[in-house]
Amino acid sequence: EVQLAESGGGLVQPGGSLRLSCAASGLNFSDHYMDWVRQAPGKGLEWVGRIRDRAHSYTTEYAASVKGRFTLSRDDSTKSMYLQMSSLKTEDTAVYYCATVGHFGDYEHWGQGTLVTVSS
Amino acid sequence: SYELTQPLSVSVALGQTARITCGGGNIGGKFLHWYQQKPGQAPVLVIYRDSNRPSGIPERFSGSNSGDTAVLAISGVQAGDEADYYCQVWDSSTVVFGGGTKLTVL
Repeated sequence: EVQLAESGGGLVQPGGSLRLSCAASGLNFSDHYMDWVRQAPGKGLEWVGRIRDRAHSYTTEYAASVKGRFTLSRDDSTKSMYLQMSSLKTEDTAVYYCATVGHFGDYEHWGQGTLVTVSS
Repeated sequence: SYELTQPLSVSVALGQTARITCGGGNIGGKFLHWYQQKPGQAPVLVIYRDSNRPSGIPERFSGSNSGDTAVLAISGVQAGDEADYYCQVWDSSTVVFGGGTKLTVL
């Protein structure tokens, strides 16, 4: 059974930094692109970014709203993915989900999410 | 930037067929996916690549995608189908989600 578990969320002040983790099990992690998707309270889903696999040089893509502030990384040896968030804004407040990217760009597996609250 | 348009809400009587639309320019030329999200839970993939059901998703869920409109159809709607539904595509190196549709079962 595939499982994704996010951690690292919490309360942070505007302008601060936070690092989220996503631990995977039950899949060939190194073969998968991985994404972060967030959801502000009472709002819809918003894509945050993608990190590709080793075969594609671990290249990354970011949503315009986070580009230059957020950085994705991964460690295939521990089946983990990370989201380093800096210069956080109140509008970054959301539940952050990690998800596996399927062959057709779909999200077959999701974690349970971790809440990030940016507030003074 | 590419946009996907969904109705804010759809209501359907128990046992009837619900249809949720997702509009976008030439959306039929893209791989379109649908997710169901219940309150307090992570989204669940219900349709991928326009019309394919992942394992474990009932046959009551079906999808189509052509021209500028994709449709998620849920036949024999049950109370447990009440949820938010999102469409999603990949376009120009970004993932795009529709705004979501709240399905209410009457």
